[in-house]
Amino acid sequence: GAVVSQHPSRVICKSGTSVKIECRSLDFQATTMFWYRQFPKQSLMLMATSNEGSKATYEQGVEKDKFLINHASLTLSTLTVTSAHPEDSSFYICSARTLDGNGYTFGSGTRLTVV
Amino acid sequence: GQNIDQPTEMTATEGAIVQINCTYQTSGFNGLFWYQQHAGEAPTFLSYNVLDGLEEKGRFSSFLSRSKGYSYLLLKELQMKDSASYLCAAMDSNYQLIWGAGTKLIIKP
Repeated sequence: GAVVSQHPSRVICKSGTSVKIECRSLDFQATTMFWYRQFPKQSLMLMATSNEGSKATYEQGVEKDKFLINHASLTLSTLTVTSAHPEDSSFYICSARTLDGNGYTFGSGTRLTVV
Repeated sequence: GQNIDQPTEMTATEGAIVQINCTYQTSGFNGLFWYQQHAGEAPTFLSYNVLDGLEEKGRFSSFLSRSKGYSYLLLKELQMKDSASYLCAAMDSNYQLIWGAGTKLIIKP
């Protein structure tokens, strides 16, 4: 089945630094990757949709200069949280559509803590 | 606007059956998904319905009525490991997932 590998699973960083989260599709080509954020006790919120070789589409209210998305190849998409602040502490998850087109496969998630 | 409604929390007994309901309003419709999420983990795919009716998959079944904008997830023979949040998500005409806030299911012995 389609597998998305996401790293790191947990990261603690200092306020003002940048953090990069990677998502790799291991056995399929993901032309589109979705990036979600989940705050405690809330549902997943779509942040942006990245398409291989083109600029990402950001949801309203998501700062594209703060959350940099790169989808340079069909198997790798990255999300960089720049100048992180404590309010950016959250659970970040990537997702790609499955091969049969009937569902989505998710990365294992990254728990970001900014101190 | 687009909206997904599902109960915040439900409690059931081990070995019993529980039904988690979901109603949705979206701009266009391309299917209804159910995901299971244990605390601190990423969601895992349970089911996808795009046609009316019941889809059965082991202990879990999912039902869809497009005319009513309604779906439910049915869990049979509940086990303690089924304690988790269950997320309902509808795909709109732009193939974006509209997520519900999730239903926390508590299983008691």
